[in-house]
Amino acid sequence: DAMVIQNPRYQVTQFGKPVTLSCSQTLNHNVMYWYQQKSSQAPKLLFHYYDKDFNNEADTPDNFQSRRPNTSFCFLDIRSPGLGDAAMYLCATSPRRRGEETQYFGPGTRLLVL
Amino acid sequence: GQNIDQPTEMTATEGAIVQINCTYQTSGFNGLFWYQQHAGEAPTFLSYNVLDGLEEKGRFSSFLSRSKGYSYLLLKELQMKDSASYLCAVRASGNTPLVFGKGTRLSVIA
Repeated sequence: DAMVIQNPRYQVTQFGKPVTLSCSQTLNHNVMYWYQQKSSQAPKLLFHYYDKDFNNEADTPDNFQSRRPNTSFCFLDIRSPGLGDAAMYLCATSPRRRGEETQYFGPGTRLLVL
Repeated sequence: GQNIDQPTEMTATEGAIVQINCTYQTSGFNGLFWYQQHAGEAPTFLSYNVLDGLEEKGRFSSFLSRSKGYSYLLLKELQMKDSASYLCAVRASGNTPLVFGKGTRLSVIA
């Protein structure tokens, strides 16, 4: 089945220790997104790619970086995680075709910072 | 700016009908989405409205009024498994990313 896959599902890291979260998709969608979601809050967009074009949200901290080496894969790098970065990180994709604007989410990676 | 409002929590009885409202103020409008999110899981797509009116999909229906900046999600014949958060999201223009509301946590009780 075509899908959005995130690994790992749970990630524990230490304060200040770099961590990378990964996302892959078999939907062949042009657009990929990274959201951060804290408990009982709305998903907050961090950045997104239209193909290789990177779009950073103005309030995304510099501590968060992203890479998209090809259509299928996208990575979220947190260079120096703080306690406030503990959250669920959601990857989503969508096609760039009018009339098919739905975003499809992966299962998420829950990050715990010790 | 973008603002999306929905009630924080609702409770309803198994077998009943519940309506979850969403109001939005955005710089543009190119579609409203409803997602279901169970605790600790990713949001899953429920419905999409871009024109005024009602879209029905099984037990779930969604309504949109663009002039009022208003939508609702209607859930019929509630089941215990419908206990979840329901997120309202708006796309302001083109294929820009969705902006999400904080979600409505629905509890279905026996």
